[in-house]
Amino acid sequence: EAEVAQSPRYKITEKSQAVAFWCDPISGHATLYWYRQILGQGPELLVQFQDESVVDDSQLPKDRFSAERLKGVDSTLKIQPAELGDSAMYLCASSSGEGGTQETQYFGPGTRLLVL
Amino acid sequence: GNSVTQMEGPVTLSEEAFLTINCTYTATGYPSLFWYVQYPGEGLQLLLKATKADDKGSNKGFEATYRKETTSFHLEKGSVQVSDSAVYFCALNDSGGGADGLTFGKGTHLIIQP
Repeated sequence: EAEVAQSPRYKITEKSQAVAFWCDPISGHATLYWYRQILGQGPELLVQFQDESVVDDSQLPKDRFSAERLKGVDSTLKIQPAELGDSAMYLCASSSGEGGTQETQYFGPGTRLLVL
Repeated sequence: GNSVTQMEGPVTLSEEAFLTINCTYTATGYPSLFWYVQYPGEGLQLLLKATKADDKGSNKGFEATYRKETTSFHLEKGSVQVSDSAVYFCALNDSGGGADGLTFGKGTHLIIQP
């Protein structure tokens, strides 16, 4: 069964350092999402891509966060500089992009970030 | 704006007990509703969904009915097992125009004791 891949699974960094996360969606999925899940909370959308284009980045803190999906396949989320409050689980999800609001989003295992 | 409210956890039950996890929502349009489950150390998995009013989603003995009149999507299971221990998230998708990120509740931690 196809899965969404993410790496690394865990990342420890010091504040003010740069950190990057990688996501490989299910093959053929046009839509890719990055969510942030703070401990004890539900995931919150950071950015959505349709192919290589950003559809929604209204909740992405653009002063320090950036995301790209250059060839419309895999994606990278970067934080520079990291702050203590960025400690969270970063989840990537993908969907085929053909079903609208009814469509299932498939989630990867996440990257757990700890900023010291 | 859109929002999802779930009952606070943790919810602790004995094996074979009846389960209800309450979920209510606020949406501006006609959302699709989802329950996702997160097992320890894993990502979120879709448990079930319903896409219009009065639809019932079901999977692995769990079910939830989309109630537009009460804006609810409560999760139920008749007899829980230890393996059902996980965090359950209610979510909605109420977007248009291409932006369709999910809005999640805070999650309910379910603990089933043998």
